[in-house]
This record gives sequence, C-alpha cells and structure tokens, in this order.
Amino acid sequence: EAGVVQSPRYKIIEKKQPVAFWCNPISGHNTLYWYRQNLGQGPELLIRYENEEAVDDSQLPKDRFSAERLKGVDSTLKIQPAELGDSAVYLCASTHLTSSHEQYFGPGTRLTVT
Amino acid sequence: AQKITQTQPGMFVQEKEAVTLDCTYDTSDQSYGLFWYKQPSSGEMIFLIYQGSYDEQNATEGRYSLNFQKARKSANLVISASQLGDSAMYFCAMGDSSYKLIFGSGTRLLVRP
Repeated sequence: EAGVVQSPRYKIIEKKQPVAFWCNPISGHNTLYWYRQNLGQGPELLIRYENEEAVDDSQLPKDRFSAERLKGVDSTLKIQPAELGDSAVYLCASTHLTSSHEQYFGPGTRLTVT
Repeated sequence: AQKITQTQPGMFVQEKEAVTLDCTYDTSDQSYGLFWYKQPSSGEMIFLIYQGSYDEQNATEGRYSLNFQKARKSANLVISASQLGDSAMYFCAMGDSSYKLIFGSGTRLLVRP
C-alpha cells in the first residue's frame, strides 16, 4: 500500500513569492490534515478536511494561506505571499476515521524563505 | 486548553537497554487518545503506539509499551532492548473528539553502541 505522497520535498523561495505544496493521501482515506512543524517543535495543525469539506481551519492564517481538496482526494496548500517566518516543514497526514485512530504522515515539504 | 509536555529535550541510552520517555498531558475531556510518533532524520512521522483514555490495559506494540497513568495524566513511552535505529525524535501527542492531534515538543533519543 502506497503511503502519503508529498511534493516537492524541498522548496527555497524569496519572501513575497507564492508557493504551493501538494499532497496525495493514502487511497480510501477520507480525512486529510495539513500540519506545520517549526524547527525544534512538534507539528501544529493548520487545517483538517473530511472528504472535500474543511471542517477545522481555525489555525490557518487565512490572510496568506489557502488550501483546497477538490474531489476529496488530493490537496494543495498555498502561501501567498510567503514571509520569512513561514520557513518550516509542512506535513500532510491522512486517516480513515471510522477504522483507525492513527494518522499516517507523508515525508513533508521543507520550505525555506530567504 | 489541551497541552502535552515532554520535559526531556534529549536522552541517551545504551544499545540493548530499556529507556523511558516522559509525557504528561492536560485536558478536561473525558474521551481522548494518546499517541507516540517517531521522527527520524528523514523527517517522516512514524506512528508507534496508541492508548485510549478508557483502555484499562497499557498498550504494547512489539518493543514499545505505553505506561498510562490516568490519575497522574502521564503517558510515558518505554522502549525495550534499544537498537541503533531507534535514534530519532520522539513526539507524544493527544487527540480529542475533534480528531486533532496536539503534539509535545519532542525528545531526541540517541542510542549508544
């Protein structure tokens, strides 16, 4: 069974530029999460989707961050414009809530804003 | 507010010995879950073990066991027979009815040969 796929793995951009991250969850997983992990800290939830609906986006900085999950499968997280403080690892996770407590994580995208 | 506390920034253990990683939590929820994840240098979060708040027995998964003490609000991870490949960051996390995971700040474990 393929795991959660994320791309790109690494991204370096200048501040004020836009950037987008892509996530393909495990097949059949209806719930998808985006987390941000700052250096030396644990991940923090940005947004949670159940199918195509964003059910928890309370911690998403909506002035510059946006996300979508069209058709309830793949998801894209966008930052526009990026700031220096956005440098972090962006992790995507998925689960099938009716059958598992476990969230399966992808390898993450390491973003560096210069 | 929910909170996870990991007070050990770093730990050393000798290969083949057991090690305990501490985790305490704070919540007013009656129903919650406690998780441990391993994060090697490659960056991926690997699920290790889960304990539900109503589970009476401590969870075990191979060399991993979770020492759950509900009254003390602690959920320590015990790794038996440490291996060199166990060197990594370890995160304790709590999930509530909203299925959001709240993570601690992590403990870096180094296994010495």
